[in-house]
Amino acid sequence: AQSVAQPEDQVNVAEGNPLTVKCTYSVSGNPYLFWYVQYPNRGLQFLLKYITGDNLVKGSYGFEAEFNKSQTSFHLKKPSALVSDSALYFCAVRDGYAGGTSYGKLTFGQGTILTVHP
Amino acid sequence: DVKVTQSSRYLVKRTGEKVFLECVQDMDHENMFWYRQDPGLGLRLIYFSYDVKMKEKGDIPEGYSVSREKKERFSLILESASTNQTSMYLCASSRAPGAQYFGPGTRLLVL
Repeated sequence: AQSVAQPEDQVNVAEGNPLTVKCTYSVSGNPYLFWYVQYPNRGLQFLLKYITGDNLVKGSYGFEAEFNKSQTSFHLKKPSALVSDSALYFCAVRDGYAGGTSYGKLTFGQGTILTVHP
Repeated sequence: DVKVTQSSRYLVKRTGEKVFLECVQDMDHENMFWYRQDPGLGLRLIYFSYDVKMKEKGDIPEGYSVSREKKERFSLILESASTNQTSMYLCASSRAPGAQYFGPGTRLLVL
């Protein structure tokens, strides 16, 4: 079975400071990892993904994430936070070895509320 | 850009009513998904479909059914709505192993 943990329900950061939203995962095979953002009363928007290759993945809106296989982590980062980054962030994982039987099923974390203060 | 649309943004229904939520995607994706989102519980998968007329139960299928008659359309059906089905419903589509793309959501209130 695959699982995702986002250990922080909330993250608060001042505008201009770097931000990190944490995610750890568990899968039996190689992980496919994703980050999504959700603004109030909206659907989820895809930010970035890791499937293979470079451990540092760059995505939309200046976000990046670092895949760390030994720590089974995929933390979301941004060098300089904006007030407009305030939203709910979800990490998700699927098992790369599940192949056709999983049909792209993702397991989501509980979400982390990011608040960026002016 | 991938576009996933849902038939309603807000819906109010009465207990016992049959409710249809429709989702349409325009990217010829094989996979489509229905989730519900509740505070503190994150996203929970209700059903998914990997091809026309094919469906699989997700983590919480009780009280729901689905229909996929055409590749671009995936419907979620609440056979007899109950108050505990008040929630935000999110549809998504993907071409495995890629990212899932989500619709704007339908906020359903069952009275």
